[in-house]
Amino acid sequence: DAGITQSPRHKVTETGTPVTLRCHQTENHRYMYWYRQDPGHGLRLIHYSYGVKDTDKGEVSDGYSVSRSKTEDFLLTLESATSSQTSVYFCAISESDSGSYEQYFGPGTRLTVT
Amino acid sequence: AQSVTQPDIHITVSEGASLELRCNYSYGATPYLFWYVQSPGQGLQLLLKYFSGDTLVQGIKGFEAEFKRSQSSFNLRKPSVHWSDAAEYFCAVAGLNTNAGKSTFGDGTTLTVKP
Repeated sequence: DAGITQSPRHKVTETGTPVTLRCHQTENHRYMYWYRQDPGHGLRLIHYSYGVKDTDKGEVSDGYSVSRSKTEDFLLTLESATSSQTSVYFCAISESDSGSYEQYFGPGTRLTVT
Repeated sequence: AQSVTQPDIHITVSEGASLELRCNYSYGATPYLFWYVQSPGQGLQLLLKYFSGDTLVQGIKGFEAEFKRSQSSFNLRKPSVHWSDAAEYFCAVAGLNTNAGKSTFGDGTTLTVKP
């Protein structure tokens, strides 16, 4: 299994509070991604990174920001959490430079915003 | 833009029966195609992938998939389903034209296995 961890695994927070989710990899892969998974919507890309300090928006980036100061860590921040951000968040990594493009996923973080 | 359609939201099969999950994709060039499986409470795991060459690819857990360019399809099959195969299955597409290797995922098909 690819070495990907996410923390915390579960979090309950109140509307309006900031929340940071962490993804940590030990594979030294270049690309990292944050997705949210909601019933009926599959996986939707929030933000992704193609290197240290290089990030870009995905299809559902409003209300989220990211940072990547080291190859191994990719942080997702909800500046002011809303109930619509209640979801399961997955981090994934990819070594697309090898031409393979498959992604390896972390175990997920279940976030509840009350 | 690339897209993936999984027409079946939910499929139920009996244990020991054969399985086929459908996937149709839209992509302007040669696609990289994937099937992932997600067990309850877990992340996604790669089942198999197609890049080029033989259009019938074998994956883990006895799964296979066939790439049909003329039909823009990449259907997943298994000859005999086990109760442990109950999970959600996602088809995904990526490619050389995709920035940062981003994949586009279908909405998933939930498989229920009857005893």
